[in-house]
Amino acid sequence: DVQMTQSPSSLSASVGDRVTITCRASQDIRNSLAWYQQKPGKAPKLLLYAASRLDVGVPSRFSGIGSGTDYTLTISSLQPEDFATYYCQQYYNTPMYIFGQGTKLEIK
Amino acid sequence: QVQLVQSGAEVKKPGASVKISCKASGYTFSSYAIHWVRQAPGQTLEWLGKITVGNGYTDYSQKVQGRVTITSDTSASTAYMELSSLRSEDTAVYYCARDDSGWSFWGQGTLVTVSS
Repeated sequence: DVQMTQSPSSLSASVGDRVTITCRASQDIRNSLAWYQQKPGKAPKLLLYAASRLDVGVPSRFSGIGSGTDYTLTISSLQPEDFATYYCQQYYNTPMYIFGQGTKLEIK
Repeated sequence: QVQLVQSGAEVKKPGASVKISCKASGYTFSSYAIHWVRQAPGQTLEWLGKITVGNGYTDYSQKVQGRVTITSDTSASTAYMELSSLRSEDTAVYYCARDDSGWSFWGQGTLVTVSS
């Protein structure tokens, strides 16, 4: 099975900061990677799929890049509503849809 | 608009079974697979299985295979996930999600508590 290693596990930042979250797969996942945002008590929300494609309605301050085994999510200028937990998910090695361990983004 | 609405919270004793429903609306139900995912308190998301609604074909995580059964009723546009032989570590919020390249649509979640 593909393993997904996400880092950091937590991150403190301020409004307006640029932040980057990394996800590393244990094998090439051919850009079959999604990023989700989750707020407490809510279902995950899709931000990006195919490593770099924004879902409908997602602000352009979110971006993704990567290839092979290494992928990053960047938030260019943090807004108050962006403080949440972020997860990566691979969907190349189906039917096992593995999520990363999550990155909790907190206000500094 | 696309919506997935799940059934309400459940409290079960160890060894019992639970069956959760996920009612879809706003799209052709048979055109998309439905996934089931759970999240234990403070933990990441864990994929449990999926059903290809169009043909009824299922895939399950090896971790829960043998205890999980996913079904669908196209006449009711509803998918179901049944988990048997419940133990305390099955306590989690269970979600359904519509398959796509990235899962844009999720149910609101169903809390299942397993406690004696």
